[in-house]
Amino acid sequence: DVKVTQSSRYLVKRTGEKVFLECVQDMDHENMFWYRQDPGLGLRLIYFSYDVKMKEKGDIPEGYSVSREKKERFSLILESASTNQTSMYLCASRTGQGTSYEQYFGPGTRLTVT
Amino acid sequence: SQKIEQNSEALNIQEGKTATLTCNYTNYSPAYLQWYRQDPGRGPVFLLLIRENEKEKRKERLKVTFDTTLKQSLFHITASQPADSATYLCALPSSGSARQLTFGSGTQLTVLP
Repeated sequence: DVKVTQSSRYLVKRTGEKVFLECVQDMDHENMFWYRQDPGLGLRLIYFSYDVKMKEKGDIPEGYSVSREKKERFSLILESASTNQTSMYLCASRTGQGTSYEQYFGPGTRLTVT
Repeated sequence: SQKIEQNSEALNIQEGKTATLTCNYTNYSPAYLQWYRQDPGRGPVFLLLIRENEKEKRKERLKVTFDTTLKQSLFHITASQPADSATYLCALPSSGSARQLTFGSGTQLTVLP
């Protein structure tokens, strides 16, 4: 079974802090994604990566950056956390091979910025 | 721009009945469409993928249809059970990049005992 793990289930940070969210997958997937999910807005893509050291902006990259130094790990960084970044953050991965397009999600990190 | 709409934010049905969820999309012709299930506080879980040349796909009590003319997918759960209560999301490959998915906002299904 594919396993996607996220470093924290719940996180509380103060405004202005630098926040790191870590995601690790164990299936050698090429593609990894970071989403945020808010009530009424659904899942929105922040950034994704299709290879080590490669990244592409999603729909809402402002205020975020990412790092992918190893294939299995994809980090989301909030450079200076703000209250409007309070949300559920979800990491996902997907193989880049064949026609298996399904994404495998981690359990999510609920971040509260106060 | 690409837009996905799922019918009503919440749907309540009686146990044993068939639940039907709708996903409509505009301004796009996707090669496939996916359905996911999400339980509270958890990440979505992939259920089914249906391709543009497939009219219908089944998996146990689940059935998905894909009408590219109407730009609509229907997701059916037959003989529904309280354990089927969850939020169901449809997703399409993004028009800008096939590597990405664009998700609908979901329909929260509650199956009443």
